[in-house]
Amino acid sequence: ETGVTQTPRHLVMGMTNKKSLKCEQHLGHNAMYWYKQSAKKPLELMFVYSLEERVENNSVPSRFSPECPNSSHLFLHLHTLQPEDSALYLCASSQELGGHEQYFGPGTRLTVT
Amino acid sequence: GEDVEQSLFLSVREGDSSVINCTYTDSSSTYLYWYKQEPGAGLQLLTYIFSNMDMKQDQRLTVLLNKKDKHLSLRIADTQTGDSAIYFCAESANTNAGKSTFGDGTTLTVKP
Repeated sequence: ETGVTQTPRHLVMGMTNKKSLKCEQHLGHNAMYWYKQSAKKPLELMFVYSLEERVENNSVPSRFSPECPNSSHLFLHLHTLQPEDSALYLCASSQELGGHEQYFGPGTRLTVT
Repeated sequence: GEDVEQSLFLSVREGDSSVINCTYTDSSSTYLYWYKQEPGAGLQLLTYIFSNMDMKQDQRLTVLLNKKDKHLSLRIADTQTGDSAIYFCAESANTNAGKSTFGDGTTLTVKP
């Protein structure tokens, strides 16, 4: 138990669906992250939030839309995804930005059909 | 940009020591991490080392850092079947606004 929870753990969605991934951290951290982990590819950093402000967007397609309503919660809104978006989506948090260890949630296994 | 490299696979017998190696390119790396990922789970921070340290030991885990060669290793003593997982090396720098660079992960298989 890392103090970072993600829901749902598994999600299957069609290409026309709209769904949201949720991440919650109970660690009092100020920074939160979304990563994408695909088979046979390195971890890809998608978004970074610090104190609810987005500080990094790594050229992620607009069909992924993050939202950070407060420092404990992070969402990833999904719409009109493609099959190649199927992956494990990992949320992480750290005390501050820069040079601090990150604590990961268990991930949401997303399958786009 | 920054790069972190690891060998992809390692297989050892139960009770032996495992050594997982990692090289990185960013000379401004301040923190170096080892994460463990078990099947179907997220990454779990195992240990980390500051760049001004050469070694860190934590129970069965020993981290060695050769800053000159930008080489990091993780040694697991008395490896158990429960240690079978993917191990990720990662680095970050204070100047990099929260961005950690991860290696591709080394899959450790422990045979009974």
